[in-house]
Amino acid sequence: GAVVSQHPSRVICKSGTSVKIECRSLDFQATTMFWYRQFPKQSLMLMATSNEGSKATYEQGVEKDKFLINHASLTLSTLTVTSAHPEDSSFYICSARGQGVRTDTQYFGPGTRLTVL
Amino acid sequence: GIQVEQSPPDLILQEGANSTLRCNFSDSVNNLQWFHQNPWGQLINLFYIPSGTKQNGRLSATTVATERYSLLYISSSQTTDSGVYFCAVRGSTLGRLYFGRGTQLTVWP
Repeated sequence: GAVVSQHPSRVICKSGTSVKIECRSLDFQATTMFWYRQFPKQSLMLMATSNEGSKATYEQGVEKDKFLINHASLTLSTLTVTSAHPEDSSFYICSARGQGVRTDTQYFGPGTRLTVL
Repeated sequence: GIQVEQSPPDLILQEGANSTLRCNFSDSVNNLQWFHQNPWGQLINLFYIPSGTKQNGRLSATTVATERYSLLYISSSQTTDSGVYFCAVRGSTLGRLYFGRGTQLTVWP
């Protein structure tokens, strides 16, 4: 149990385009979802936290107009990188916490590698 | 926020060796998790261990909450153990996780 999926696993796009990444909890209801960003050989950096049906809470320094997060249902959250630029290239990981599993544990998706040319 | 320090930053072992990874944290916590990030980036939950000792096969972990540290033991290491090991803590029930910088483990055959 407690599986989190992400799609796509890898995406390459041109500078200026927008990219949407989906995060799904497959066998539990995710009341809270987290989006992280990880640069090579570095730790995970929390970008934002979202509760189902509410606006996301962004960490300091993260542009909310750049990284749009939607958590419209208990099993799906999306991260849209708008007008992507090469500096947005990174590994994006979602995580979920919720009902039907250990409520005090976060479960992580496999990540999405974004390359902006 | 809570500061999390992991040591060593890098560890190179021969297959079959044992190792100990350490995680120190700056404040009281109600959640501590150890993760293994494999070479493809997937984070795998190893232990949820805010206190006490747990074992799972060749891996075991101990958290001494009063002294604010946790240890992850890997015995008889295998090449598949290679990757980055992260420690993450949370200070309150619904709070965010704070990650350490990780320990990069390389196990050679």
